[in-house]
Amino acid sequence: TQLLEQSPQFLSIQEGENLTVYCNSSSVFSSLQWYRQEPGEGPVLLVTVVTGGEVKKLKRLTFQFGDARKDSSLHITAAQPGDTGLYLCAGARTGANNLFFGTGTRLTVIP
Amino acid sequence: NAGVTQTPKFRVLKTGQSMTLLCAQDMNHEYMYWYRQDPGMGLRLIHYSVGEGTTAKGEVPDGYNVSRLKKQNFLLGLESAAPSQTSVYFCASSIANSLNQPQHFGDGTRLSIL
Repeated sequence: TQLLEQSPQFLSIQEGENLTVYCNSSSVFSSLQWYRQEPGEGPVLLVTVVTGGEVKKLKRLTFQFGDARKDSSLHITAAQPGDTGLYLCAGARTGANNLFFGTGTRLTVIP
Repeated sequence: NAGVTQTPKFRVLKTGQSMTLLCAQDMNHEYMYWYRQDPGMGLRLIHYSVGEGTTAKGEVPDGYNVSRLKKQNFLLGLESAAPSQTSVYFCASSIANSLNQPQHFGDGTRLSIL
């Protein structure tokens, strides 16, 4: 089983709609990152959140780190076709040398 | 800027064959990682290295070996390929000391084992 579970696994929406994807765990993380991956390419970092309850905005994307640092969400406002991709969360744990990646949410925005 | 370069991009092997995947980074990063990506599984860590001459096991190390003889290169070897190793393999690198820093990924190697 994965340490970080993401939901939904697949999401297909119309251009202009809003959406939220979730990243959940029973473990505590010292920080959490969100990546976006496009077909044929590697993941690219979108944001890092480090404080429980932290909210970060990146244009139409809003990221939140849960108060207990066990979960995170990504909200996209007025989705555009360019938002299409695989969204991955990744958590860092104290004492570990590596990130733990989530299962991913594949988003398709239909024009 | 090259960043992280993986070779080859595609490869088809027969069961039992061996091969080596090469990862090269030009950012002087200390940490390097090998992941495999399978549908519905996200990225799973195979092996990683925290510096030249060091390697460590990740989540799914069985059937793979790695070497980090030079700081800029991280090699992933399959000694006897199995169909279960069919996957897309990603290499990544990052600055040492802080997992708050981004991991920089290559574009992947798509490997099929027949």
